[in-house]
Amino acid sequence: EDQVTQSPEALRLQEGESSSLNCSYTVSGLRGLFWYRQDPGKGPEFLFTLYSAGEEKEKERLKATLTKKESFLHITAPKPEDSATYLCAVREGDSWGKLQFGAGTQVVVTP
Amino acid sequence: NAGVTQTPKFQVLKTGQSMTLQCAQDMNHEYMSWYRQDPGMGLRLIHYSVGAGITDQGEVPNGYNVSRSTTEDFPLRLLSAAPSQTSVYFCASSSSEVGETQYFGPGTRLLVL
Repeated sequence: EDQVTQSPEALRLQEGESSSLNCSYTVSGLRGLFWYRQDPGKGPEFLFTLYSAGEEKEKERLKATLTKKESFLHITAPKPEDSATYLCAVREGDSWGKLQFGAGTQVVVTP
Repeated sequence: NAGVTQTPKFQVLKTGQSMTLQCAQDMNHEYMSWYRQDPGMGLRLIHYSVGAGITDQGEVPNGYNVSRSTTEDFPLRLLSAAPSQTSVYFCASSSSEVGETQYFGPGTRLLVL
């Protein structure tokens, strides 16, 4: 049973065309929700951590929000360099090792 | 700081061979972990460690061993490689001082024939 589901699987955007990625989760006792960016052939790069519903974080053209059941990663006026796979992960309970990752959303931004 | 480093970058093994994937971090993080990433699937936790001398199993531990003799190093051993272990392996480290955010290495791509 998937605990972390990301949608869509892939997203193709024109430069400047804003959009949102979704991460829904079913874990109880959420201890943190993490967003990562992964470029081809590289390791995931940390973007944001969200801890409680209503929390928002921003970095350049990216903004992450959190509700009790899902998180959104908003990409505003994207540029080609925003092309990457965006991964969502959740941590529940007391064991830091229990980090569940979604399968990711592959974003391609064309000029 | 080099962050999290992994060697080798790429390895080809024959079924039944053994090897060790190396991981090191220079951030004095107490937590380290190993993940594998397969197409269409999320990163899956293999083993993790909360400090030197302490390790525990993750979601997919079978066929892999780990040890943690120092804070810096966390090697992953494949005892008898199988084609199902063809994957990309990532090591990560974390600390409560950085909000338990995990920082990842560049990965090792493993092909088992």
